[in-house]
Amino acid sequence: KAGVTQTPRYLIKTRGQQVTLSCSPISGHRSVSWYQQTPGQGLQFLFEYFSETQRNKGNFPGRFSGRQFSNSRSEMNVSTLELGDSALYLCASSPGPKKTVGSPLHFGNGTRLTVT
Amino acid sequence: ILNVEQSPQSLHVQEGDSTNFTCSFPSSNFYALHWYRWETAKSPEALFVMTLNGDEKKKGRISATLNTKEGYSYLYIKGSQPEDSATYLCAFQSYNTDKLIFGTGTRLQVFP
Repeated sequence: KAGVTQTPRYLIKTRGQQVTLSCSPISGHRSVSWYQQTPGQGLQFLFEYFSETQRNKGNFPGRFSGRQFSNSRSEMNVSTLELGDSALYLCASSPGPKKTVGSPLHFGNGTRLTVT
Repeated sequence: ILNVEQSPQSLHVQEGDSTNFTCSFPSSNFYALHWYRWETAKSPEALFVMTLNGDEKKKGRISATLNTKEGYSYLYIKGSQPEDSATYLCAFQSYNTDKLIFGTGTRLQVFP
């Protein structure tokens, strides 16, 4: 069974540009969450999608957005990039809403974004 | 704001030593406590998901306990090996929102 796949692995952008990151969950998983990791910080929750609907959102500015497609693949978009957006972005999938399943997250290898 | 704290921040031990780390989390609206191991250049991997007060889980040389009333969990590694070197993350999942709040992790280095 293929794991969670994130593309691209590395990305270099300049300030003011926008970027789109992609995540393909494990087959059969319908919930996708996104996290940001910066040095010295824990994994910061960005948002979670289930059945193409955003279920939860973290405390990030509106420049960060996401969506989920009918095949459960998800994309994350960051517009008007700032230097502070340089980070590792991780995507994680799980079978479904945690209240009924209570299962762990399965993470991808992440996209390393560098903003110059 | 929900805070999840892990201690120590980093730990250096000799091969064969046993070690333990702490995760502190809010004691209200508890749903689950997750532990993950994150090795360098790999993705975080789930170790345990614990939901009941007094839960004890074990996976090989690694075990974890949970106290939801006082809001803490311990992770133990018995007879540490160099391959145990990783960052260990805990994450609190609240009943209200489902989303996981991660601690900043404990970075373990095991020297041969």
